[in-house]
Amino acid sequence: QKEVEQDPGPLSVPEGAIVSLNCTYSNSAFQYFMWYRQYSRKGPELLMYTYSSGNKEDGRFTAQVDKSSKYISLFIRDSQPSDSATYLCAMRSIIQGAQKLVFGQGTRLTINP
Amino acid sequence: GAGVSQSPSNKVTEKGKDVELRCDPISGHTALYWYRQSLGQGLEFLIYFQGNSAPDKSGLPSDRFSAERTGGSVSTLTIQRTQQEDSAVYLCASSLGGQDNEQFFGPGTRLTVL
Repeated sequence: QKEVEQDPGPLSVPEGAIVSLNCTYSNSAFQYFMWYRQYSRKGPELLMYTYSSGNKEDGRFTAQVDKSSKYISLFIRDSQPSDSATYLCAMRSIIQGAQKLVFGQGTRLTINP
Repeated sequence: GAGVSQSPSNKVTEKGKDVELRCDPISGHTALYWYRQSLGQGLEFLIYFQGNSAPDKSGLPSDRFSAERTGGSVSTLTIQRTQQEDSAVYLCASSLGGQDNEQFFGPGTRLTVL
């Protein structure tokens, strides 16, 4: 079983819809949580970064972390065709010196005009 | 400013040949990471450099893989005796180091082993 599970999709929704992307994890040492967006043939770029449980909002994007359930989510409101990309959740341990990111498989999202 | 750059962008090689992939991190970033992204496996950590400390090589899949970082800046990932299963996109990232610092990714090198 992978440390981080993410439904690879693909997910296709109409423009303007609310999108919900999710990841579950098994390692309790994970304390830093990130969402990356990756366009085709490009490297991942950081969208959201959270440390504690709860919600964090940035424009149309909201990241949610529930450490008790080992579950994180990314919500996209008023989705746009430019949001079409692969979304990757990533996590890092709080253990001193542990710098590597552990990624989910990525969810391919298409927003249809 | 300039981001992380990688070269070549694409590399096609024959099985059994050695390849070298290059990464130029963001100036001033002390931490450098290599990841591999392949279909069905997602993005996997390979190796991490931080300043002059010994690298974390825990993600290297076999002894055919090695990496070095010269002068605390440019890094080279070497794959010896390439196999078809090595075909993937190899991504490099850099950061300022420390627990909270964002990793900035390069565009990757797409490696195809025939």
